[in-house]
Amino acid sequence: IAGITQAPTSQILAAGRRMTLRCTQDMRHNAMYWYRQDLGLGLRLIHYSNTAGTTGKGEVPDGYSVSRANTDDFPLTLASAVPSQTSVYFCASSESSNHEQFFGPGTRLTVL
Amino acid sequence: GQNIDQPTEMTATEGAIVQINCTYQTSGFNGLFWYQQHAGEAPTFLSYNVLDGLEEKGRFSSFLSRSKGYSYLLLKELQMKDSASYLCAVRDSNYQLIWGAGTKLIIKP
Repeated sequence: IAGITQAPTSQILAAGRRMTLRCTQDMRHNAMYWYRQDLGLGLRLIHYSNTAGTTGKGEVPDGYSVSRANTDDFPLTLASAVPSQTSVYFCASSESSNHEQFFGPGTRLTVL
Repeated sequence: GQNIDQPTEMTATEGAIVQINCTYQTSGFNGLFWYQQHAGEAPTFLSYNVLDGLEEKGRFSSFLSRSKGYSYLLLKELQMKDSASYLCAVRDSNYQLIWGAGTKLIIKP
């Protein structure tokens, strides 16, 4: 693989279910990010990780959790999905917080 | 609060020039980014400004005035493939990106 990948591409989920969105990068970037993008709004940061083993909360962290066990992977978990979490989710990475971010192709999630 | 403003939609003609403005109010400033996002795709990096002035990169240029909290993206010799949304983002004092809602640019033949 080259760059940053996300899985699944899209998912329809029943409310209350648990879901993990996967993100993997092969650029050896230190920093990784999860955003959600909703119509009419800018990208909003959910969680971030400046380096493996550390994570931080963004603007809209409630209902989401992340882990960063290694440099390449940064999964996002919805413990109990709610309809307001219907969105397009983008994972991104950057060499450091000082550098431009590269985005994965996104996951379109619908919670019914 | 933190705020990034840019027009919701603009229309331009193929071959022409268009300027997309962005104004910002953020807690701290550590650079401004422009990204391009085609419908259904991921944002891709276009330009970065941290000092006042104009940065030119081919048909695209980006300008920054930190004292005015203002930037613009200038697209020359417009092509149909430039039809996309253009996202302005400011890196704040915590080194996190604050994003505008994006400007949808429609190119007409």
